Amino acid sequence: AQSVTQLDSQVPVFEEAPVELRCNYSSSVSVYLFWYVQYPNQGLQLLLKYLSGSTLVKGINGFEAEFNKSQTSFHLRKPSVHISDTAEYFCAVDGAGKSTFGDGTTLTVKP
Amino acid sequence: DTGVSQNPRHKITKRGQNVTFRCDPISEHNRLYWYRQTLGQGPEFLTYFQNEAQLEKSRLLSDRFSAERPKGSFSTLEIQRTEQGDSAMYLCASSSSDRAQETQYFGPGTRLLVL
Repeated sequence: AQSVTQLDSQVPVFEEAPVELRCNYSSSVSVYLFWYVQYPNQGLQLLLKYLSGSTLVKGINGFEAEFNKSQTSFHLRKPSVHISDTAEYFCAVDGAGKSTFGDGTTLTVKP
Repeated sequence: DTGVSQNPRHKITKRGQNVTFRCDPISEHNRLYWYRQTLGQGPEFLTYFQNEAQLEKSRLLSDRFSAERPKGSFSTLEIQRTEQGDSAMYLCASSSSDRAQETQYFGPGTRLLVL
């Protein structure tokens, strides 16, 4: 069985400030980890994924995430956010060919 | 490549009616997934296909739900005798192989409202 917990349901932040969206997971097998972004009325778009190797993963739009096996975490970070980053962000784990998603974090970037 | 498409984008129906949604995956993607997303929650896995074979169904998928992918290309998801609790966004995704690390590409979803 696998599960994902996104620790913050909403994260408000001012433009150009750094942001971290937290994600913890549990799984009984080796996992692959993903972050997706969902803009209003659109489907999910992959931001980045961790498969193996370097624990620091870089994705699109300036986002990066760090895999921490001992803490079973995969937190998403961006050093400076833009208004256009306002969206819903989902962390997901895939260990058996299908993905299990967290409940999402709403990132709101304020001017 | 136009990406994953889903039709209709919105559907309003009365309780007890049947509805059918269609998903067209990225061409030559052999894996196709269906998820359900309710307000304030992440997508929940419903079922997936490897080509035309339906390999797994979630316990969330009651007997009123049926999915098909007859020729290994597009897929349909039918809900019979709809209930208000079926109101949700139904998402389709496709990927190019059966390896878990392959990226899933999502469609825009079909939003169902059952009155």
